Amino acid sequence: QKEVEQNSGPLSVPEGAIASLNCTYSDRGSQSFFWYRQYSGKSPELIMSIYSNGDKEDGRFTAQLNKASQYVSLLIRDSQPSDSATYLCAVNLAGGTSYGKLTFGQGTILTVHP
Amino acid sequence: EAGVTQFPSHSVIEKGQTVTLRCDPISGHDNLYWYRRVMGKEIKFLLHFVKESKQDESGMPNNRFLAERTGGTYSTLKVQPAELEDSGVYFCASSQPGGWDSPYEQYFGPGTRLTVT
Repeated sequence: QKEVEQNSGPLSVPEGAIASLNCTYSDRGSQSFFWYRQYSGKSPELIMSIYSNGDKEDGRFTAQLNKASQYVSLLIRDSQPSDSATYLCAVNLAGGTSYGKLTFGQGTILTVHP
Repeated sequence: EAGVTQFPSHSVIEKGQTVTLRCDPISGHDNLYWYRRVMGKEIKFLLHFVKESKQDESGMPNNRFLAERTGGTYSTLKVQPAELEDSGVYFCASSQPGGWDSPYEQYFGPGTRLTVT
């Protein structure tokens, strides 16, 4: 079992729709969760971080965390073609010497078509 | 505010040669990280500096890789001698001062694409 798994893509949604990206993680000690967006050939760009159970909203993005189910998701409302990218879920543990280490999922490719 | 910068953007070397990658973190960020993505795989952690000290080097693949951060500012990652399997994109990231109970968000540089032939 991979430490961080993302729903296999690619995911294609029409412009204006809601895109839903999912991520599960194996280590119950995980404390911090991040979503990065990566355009082809570019660096990962941090778009959301979440630390507590529940929802966190930032503009068109909503991150949802359920630690009991070891599940984190990202919703993108009113999807735009410019949202087309690879979305990376990253998880890190708190405590110990590896507190800075991010463990990434394999990424989900999102395509928003006009 | 300038972001994380990396140099070079691309490097093509032959097997057995040495390559040194450089990373300049965001000013004021004590934490500096190196990651690597090989083709078809997810991004993998290599190591974490807090200022000039190695906090965690559990991801370093072998002793052909040497990372330094003299003075707690920029960092270098040297691969010597390079092997074919070292090819990939090497990312550097940095974050604000924090600790084990308050991890901070990491901001990534553009990466160095290393090709070993």
